[in-house]
Amino acid sequence: QQQVKQSPQSLIVQKGGISIINCAYENTAFDYFPWYQQFPGKGPALLIAIRPDVSEKKEGRFTISFNKSAKQFSLHIMDSQPGDSATYFCAANIYNFNKFYFGSGTKLNVKP
Amino acid sequence: ETGVTQSPTHLIKTRGQQVTLRCSSQSGHNTVSWYQQALGQGPQFIFQYYREEENGRGNFPPRFSGLQFPNYSSELNVNALELDDSALYLCASSFSVGGQETQYFGPGTRLLVL
Repeated sequence: QQQVKQSPQSLIVQKGGISIINCAYENTAFDYFPWYQQFPGKGPALLIAIRPDVSEKKEGRFTISFNKSAKQFSLHIMDSQPGDSATYFCAANIYNFNKFYFGSGTKLNVKP
Repeated sequence: ETGVTQSPTHLIKTRGQQVTLRCSSQSGHNTVSWYQQALGQGPQFIFQYYREEENGRGNFPPRFSGLQFPNYSSELNVNALELDDSALYLCASSFSVGGQETQYFGPGTRLLVL
């Protein structure tokens, strides 16, 4: 049973466009939702994270939108750049327990 | 770079063999988690070690075992390898077991079981 469902599996965006990746979760005990970026041959790296007490968090071109009632959260990449081309994973966990549940990943390709 | 290193980078084994993967945590981190990432999938939690004790385990059989040493480096051991064990194995270190502590991932060890 997948605790965190991620879509789409792959995404092609033109340079300067907006990339949107969506995730949904079932366990209402989750209280921390990070997004990771992974380049080929590298481990995932934390990009941005949100707690459920806020509906949006923005860091530079990256924004997380969080809908607690719908149990959904999404990553928006504004002004997407070719250097953003990577695989993105959403994740969720419960405070005081460092077990992260990851989505299946979205491979983003930003075309010049 | 995160400061988390893993060795070896690649490994080929045959079914039934045993393998040991190693992880060196980022300086000052006392918690290490191991994940299995199958091709095209997200990482799956195997287990976590905090101050040399196992602190949580995912849905993996007992033939997956681990160790954490006093310097907080860690090993993942897999016995009786199966074809489905072929994957990228990631370790991640953090300051503590707190859920919001940032996990820093190493580059992984890619294991191929033939």
